[in-house]
Amino acid sequence: DSGVTQTPKHLITATGQRVTLRCSPRSGDLSVYWYQQSLDQGLQFLIQYYNGEERAKGNILERFSAQQFPDLHSELNLSSLELGDSALYFCASSATIPSGANVLTFGAGSRLTVL
Amino acid sequence: AQSVTQLGSHVSVSEGALVLLRCNYSSSVPPYLFWYVQYPNQGLQLLLKYTSAATLVKGINGFEAEFKKSETSFHLTKPSAHMSDAAEYFCAVSGTGRRALTFGSGTRLQVQP
Repeated sequence: DSGVTQTPKHLITATGQRVTLRCSPRSGDLSVYWYQQSLDQGLQFLIQYYNGEERAKGNILERFSAQQFPDLHSELNLSSLELGDSALYFCASSATIPSGANVLTFGAGSRLTVL
Repeated sequence: AQSVTQLGSHVSVSEGALVLLRCNYSSSVPPYLFWYVQYPNQGLQLLLKYTSAATLVKGINGFEAEFKKSETSFHLTKPSAHMSDAAEYFCAVSGTGRRALTFGSGTRLQVQP
């Protein structure tokens, strides 16, 4: 158990629908990162939050949004879903004050299937 | 922008043989480099990290990697493969601070009995 909790583990939905993926970071970690893993794109960084504020954006589509709440959990919202959004979505967290290398600890992922 | 390139999407070795997974980085400043492993249906787990303290880095499960600036490489090795090493391995790079990691495309390691 990495300490990063993601729910749900599996999700099957239809095109055009909206889903929300949830992540609880490791205790004490203020940074949360979202990644998408697919066969054709590999591991793509989507977005980062630090203590409730957006810190960095990667290859996140406009149909996707995220937020980090005061209790530090984060949600990734995916809307107007398309077949190509089927992927494994990972959440990761990192130490509050990284000394040098920023080590990310990953959750087990949420597997989204869009039919 | 920082990036890493992993040579070989699939590597197959026999049990007991040397494991060598290749990673080359591109960075305009001294990078932080990482190797992560992903077992089937699991998340990514840190194997080891390079932080400039030492060029040869030892990680978990008998893996190690050597940072070679002249070759811009950070290859992962293990002297003797075990069946349990079968997994996908990702090289990653980041800069300083709380920055996200940029991952390579991954190398799937198969270990033959």
